[in-house]
Amino acid sequence: GEDVEQSLFLSVREGDSSVINCTYTDSSSTYLYWYKQEPGAGLQLLTYIFSNMDMKQDQRLTVLLNKKDKHLSLRIADTQTGDSAIYFCAEPNSGNTPLVFGKGTRLSVIA
Amino acid sequence: DTGVSQNPRHKITKRGQNVTFRCDPISEHNRLYWYRQTLGQGPEFLTYFQNEAQLEKSRLLSDRFSAERPKGSFSTLEIQRTEQGDSAMYLCASSLALEGPNTEAFFGQGTRLTVV
Repeated sequence: GEDVEQSLFLSVREGDSSVINCTYTDSSSTYLYWYKQEPGAGLQLLTYIFSNMDMKQDQRLTVLLNKKDKHLSLRIADTQTGDSAIYFCAEPNSGNTPLVFGKGTRLSVIA
Repeated sequence: DTGVSQNPRHKITKRGQNVTFRCDPISEHNRLYWYRQTLGQGPEFLTYFQNEAQLEKSRLLSDRFSAERPKGSFSTLEIQRTEQGDSAMYLCASSLALEGPNTEAFFGQGTRLTVV
């Protein structure tokens, strides 16, 4: 079945860039997603990338996709304390239906 | 529309009791999903509906778990004979099934269940 792997923790200084990495297994995924979860809150979609793209930029966020290696990354430029949260990589289950999530990467931003 | 609404936000129950959670999706969304999230884990898919049809239920954790969406609007998730291992956050999400990136799945804030 589908499996999504992420490193569990990342700590960066305020103003630095953060890079969160993810590997996935389903090569037929048409889209790949990044969600953000703040403490006590539900998940919020940050961005997604279509599988025929290798990069997508959205303000401070840059998504890189290496389809050959099934590797996805999320770069946050000029990381702020408000970016502290858990970031989940997700891919659709086969058939473009429910999302399969990784365990999440907890980003801590040090002032 | 205020987004996906889940009730209650917190539920404490004694082992062996039945519990029912409610999810009100975004009104025009035809898909509704239930996930469970335990501490330190990502959301784990349980089941989903398209309108009132339950399209996938094999991932429900046991036969003690059931879900309904009788009129294609709100949904309920019931856990019978709760066990301590059922303690978790239960998340609901909804989306509009169209071509494209399955459109954005909007999540509610979840119902946190504690079984004592």
